[in-house]
Amino acid sequence: AAGVIQSPRHLIKEKRETATLKCYPIPRHDTVYWYQQGPGQDPQFLISFYEKMQSDKGSIPDRFSAQQFSDYHSELNMSSLELGDSALYFCASSLPGEEAYEQYFGPGTRLTVT
Amino acid sequence: AQSVAQPEDQVNVAEGNPLTVKCTYSVSGNPYLFWYVQYPNRGLQFLLKYITGDNLVKGSYGFEAEFNKSQTSFHLKKPSALVSDSALYFCAVRDVNNFNKFYFGSGTKLNVKP
Repeated sequence: AAGVIQSPRHLIKEKRETATLKCYPIPRHDTVYWYQQGPGQDPQFLISFYEKMQSDKGSIPDRFSAQQFSDYHSELNMSSLELGDSALYFCASSLPGEEAYEQYFGPGTRLTVT
Repeated sequence: AQSVAQPEDQVNVAEGNPLTVKCTYSVSGNPYLFWYVQYPNRGLQFLLKYITGDNLVKGSYGFEAEFNKSQTSFHLKKPSALVSDSALYFCAVRDVNNFNKFYFGSGTKLNVKP
């Protein structure tokens, strides 16, 4: 079965650089979520999109932005990177609507800021 | 506000013994509760969910969870643990006021020893 695809899987950047993470949801899933997971921490919700519109915002820094495109893939843009941005970034997708659908997570992108 | 709590950072159990990973929740309204498992350097994998109906929910890999409304708990259980069950387990609740938002617990590391 198709799963959530994230690219790249690993990314190394220097302080003050920018990074773009990509997420391709499972077919027919039009809701996408982004999470940040620091070492030994639980996933922290950053932002979500439904039908290409931002649906909710969590603890996403102003230096980060995201969007969902017409094919439902999403990109997380991170600028002025800081050492503290080093983490695993997960994308998840789910079916839409008010049904209690579970989220399906991608394998994550490990971002290291040096 | 919706939240879940996992009171144990770590649970140790011998292979073949029953295991329980605890989760309590705090929500306004009826909860939508989930359990996920995370293996090292991997994304979260969905195990099971409670939406409504039977309080005992069966999920993947022989896991089950018991919803207890009076105790506001949703403990994860397995009758006989396997070494391969060793992983990080997260309880999560879906925001009933915003279905595009999930809240995760802090995670419980399960160690199953041979």
